[in-house]
Amino acid sequence: DQQVKQNSPSLSVQEGRISILNCDYTNSMFDYFLWYKKYPAEGPTFLISISSIKDKNEDGRFTVFLNKSAKHLSLHIVPSQPGDSAVYFCAPLQGAQKLVFGQGTRLTINP
Amino acid sequence: DVKVTQSSRYLVKRTGEKVFLECVQDMDHENMFWYRQDPGLGLRLIYFSYDVKMKEKGDIPEGYSVSREKKERFSLILESASTNQTSMYLCASSSNTPRGYTFGSGTRLTVV
Repeated sequence: DQQVKQNSPSLSVQEGRISILNCDYTNSMFDYFLWYKKYPAEGPTFLISISSIKDKNEDGRFTVFLNKSAKHLSLHIVPSQPGDSAVYFCAPLQGAQKLVFGQGTRLTINP
Repeated sequence: DVKVTQSSRYLVKRTGEKVFLECVQDMDHENMFWYRQDPGLGLRLIYFSYDVKMKEKGDIPEGYSVSREKKERFSLILESASTNQTSMYLCASSSNTPRGYTFGSGTRLTVV
């Protein structure tokens, strides 16, 4: 049973516009959420995180929103740039150290 | 620059072979993990270790085993490789903060 779902396998956005990536989860015990970015032939790298005591966290062009009641989080990228083209994984933290990854969303930024 | 190094980027093995995937980290991290990445399935946890000689099963441990004899090294073993173990394998390590996950570049294993 998948605890973390990223229902959009792919997303295509025009350069300069907003990219919105979504993630739904089922486990109400998750209290810390991370987003990772992955380029082909490289390992995932940490992008941004949010604690369940917040509903928003911002870092430059990247903002993560958390709706605990809906068990939903989203990653906003504004403005989108060609270098943002990658696979993005939503990863809630389970227990002290174990990350549970979603299926990933492949984001393509078109010039 | 801190690193997680996986010994091979690409590997081709025959069905039934015993396969060793090696991972070394230089950050003195306590925790180490093995994931596999498959299209549409994301990253799935195979095994993890919180300390030397310690191991715990992840979500898909069947057909795999691990070894952690030293803090910096975590090996994944495919006892008898099968074609459904063809995948991208990713090793990660972390300190005791969730932001501290660092991944290796991955090993693409093909079993023929």
